Amino acid sequence: ILNVEQSPQSLHVQEGDSTNFTCSFPSSNFYALHWYRWETAKSPEALFVMTLNGDEKKKGRISATLNTKEGYSYLYIKGSQPEDSATYLCALPPMRFGAGTRLTVKP
Amino acid sequence: DTGVSQDPRHKITKRGQNVTFRCDPISEHNRLYWYRQTLGQGPEFLTYFQNEAQLEKSRLLSDRFSAERPKGSFSTLEIQRTEQGDSAMYLCASSLDGGRITNEKLFFGSGTQLSVL
Repeated sequence: ILNVEQSPQSLHVQEGDSTNFTCSFPSSNFYALHWYRWETAKSPEALFVMTLNGDEKKKGRISATLNTKEGYSYLYIKGSQPEDSATYLCALPPMRFGAGTRLTVKP
Repeated sequence: DTGVSQDPRHKITKRGQNVTFRCDPISEHNRLYWYRQTLGQGPEFLTYFQNEAQLEKSRLLSDRFSAERPKGSFSTLEIQRTEQGDSAMYLCASSLDGGRITNEKLFFGSGTQLSVL
């Protein structure tokens, strides 16, 4: 993998569902992986900065894990709410960003 | 509000015109970045500054694009002779130099949406 890849591209879930997305990245020369949330008409906002293999970070109902050896990170949202609707970007900053996963949570 | 601010929010121009965007980073942040984002894609790196020095510039940045950060505070991005393919969201971000650039959280502005007719 040469670039940062995210899947799925988009996701529609019902309020209360738990969901997760994947970020895949080159495992060589790894320094840090970032997750950002980008709500429509707002600025992208940092969720997590992850640096160590096996890292797990949590912020409220959102958590993330990191596997630097195999080059992937998962973002989990427990009990999705409509306000979680946003595009979730992962990045190897400052140069490489994924295309994002667009999450829509229906009430 | 002490976040990153960008001006204007929207710009409509005719092909061939020059446009300039401004970014004011968080005041104590010494690193500043410009990105371009089109529909369905993630932010695409254009260039970054450490204080007033432009340290990295993407090969994607044609010679019609120029960025400055004259006093190490605000930055401008100018596009000369705009083309329809320049239509995109231009995002600015800043970070505080913590030693390793890859570990620094990026603070983004709301972007300037450029439409070239």
